Amino acid sequence: ETGVTQTPRHLVMGMTNKKSLKCEQHLGHNAMYWYKQSAKKPLELMFVYNFKEQTENNSVPSRFSPECPNSSHLFLHLHTLQPEDSALYLCASSGRTGRDEQFFGPGTRLTVL
Amino acid sequence: GENVEQHPSTLSVQEGDSAVIKCTYSDSASNYFPWYKQELGKRPQLIIDIRSNVGEKKDQRIAVTLNKTAKHFSLHITETQPEDSAVYFCAASIQAGTALIFGKGTTLSVSS
Repeated sequence: ETGVTQTPRHLVMGMTNKKSLKCEQHLGHNAMYWYKQSAKKPLELMFVYNFKEQTENNSVPSRFSPECPNSSHLFLHLHTLQPEDSALYLCASSGRTGRDEQFFGPGTRLTVL
Repeated sequence: GENVEQHPSTLSVQEGDSAVIKCTYSDSASNYFPWYKQELGKRPQLIIDIRSNVGEKKDQRIAVTLNKTAKHFSLHITETQPEDSAVYFCAASIQAGTALIFGKGTTLSVSS
């Protein structure tokens, strides 16, 4: 698949579970992002990575832990989440942070029970 | 940090009418202003963007204008069609390469 892919597409987890979201981009981009999309705060920026280094953490609770092993892969590790964390989690990538078009993945629909 | 305000939150028009969505930003250093369209159940996709050295840009039925003095920019859609129905997001980026900050979106409904 080309562009930005995300797995899984849907995830249901209990508050005590640990799970991970995966994002992969096939565009040769240098920057990758995690966004949370909910009815209350559409497209809320969570984390930014440039050349594998985290450059922004938008006051995200520590129960969300990002990991960027290389410029093509981005993970979001989840543990002890709350029901209010239920949302669509979107990954995106771009050539240069804030300067070029961001390409979004299809998202992971997360439900926390 | 940067803050982007977007209005209106919902907009309903008749097919063939024009639609205008407005955004304001807070940081005068912002220099890149894209607009994204998100159809129901799909990912956001870029439809048009403008940089601070340009006042207006047009692509067929879509145009964006930028007023740097007033720190606002607008999306104009002419001759709207039902397939234009979607959520539209404006965004701005702060100079020095931070991420895009998005507005809260406008739900556009075009009725035939």
